[in-house]
Amino acid sequence: QLQLQESGPGLVKPSETLSLTCTVSGGSISSSSYYWGWIRQPPGKGLEWIGSIYYSGSTYYNPSLKSRVTISVDTSKNQFSLKLSSVTAADTAVYYCARLGSRLRIAVDYWGQGTLVTVSS
Amino acid sequence: EIVMTQSPATLSVSPGERATLSCRASQSVSSNLAWYQQKPGQAPRLLIYGASTRATGIPARFSGSGSGTEFTLTISSLQSEDFAVYYCQQYNNWLLTFGGGTKVEIK
Repeated sequence: QLQLQESGPGLVKPSETLSLTCTVSGGSISSSSYYWGWIRQPPGKGLEWIGSIYYSGSTYYNPSLKSRVTISVDTSKNQFSLKLSSVTAADTAVYYCARLGSRLRIAVDYWGQGTLVTVSS
Repeated sequence: EIVMTQSPATLSVSPGERATLSCRASQSVSSNLAWYQQKPGQAPRLLIYGASTRATGIPARFSGSGSGTEFTLTISSLQSEDFAVYYCQQYNNWLLTFGGGTKVEIK
């Protein structure tokens, strides 16, 4: 059974960089049928796609966040990572890592449990 | 950016009744539309992809329809475990956007 697990600091100071890693177990991140991505959800609000990556390293970002986002992949560790720079309180959210299926019209079929990141001094 | 609008924001339904949720796209997304269910404190769960295909393990009481800009999720007979928030999501040229959600609550 595929599992995704987010890890990283739960508290980040304003203007600093948020860094999270997603470890994939029970399957290979190098599968040609899937993309990997990050989605966030501010407390009590809806879902926002941040960006996605293919195992080859091709990246796709939400234009509203593109100037601050970097997503990378480490196939040797079966992990992918998110960096979001210059954070503000508006970036406080539950961050989910996710698998997106190319055969699913790019729907998310597996989600991590989510990790709350709070931006505060 | 394609804007996804869900209606109603809240739907009050009695157990056993039918629930119909709507999702409208600001421009055509073909059939690149998915539906998710989210319960408090949990990650969303994929219900429907390609506008009308049920994901693995999803009961037959969940069905999706539509194409282009108008989509519907129907729950034929609500069970207690179906009370949750439902989101639609579109994919177009590597930009994914979600609707604001519909909360299905017990009437």
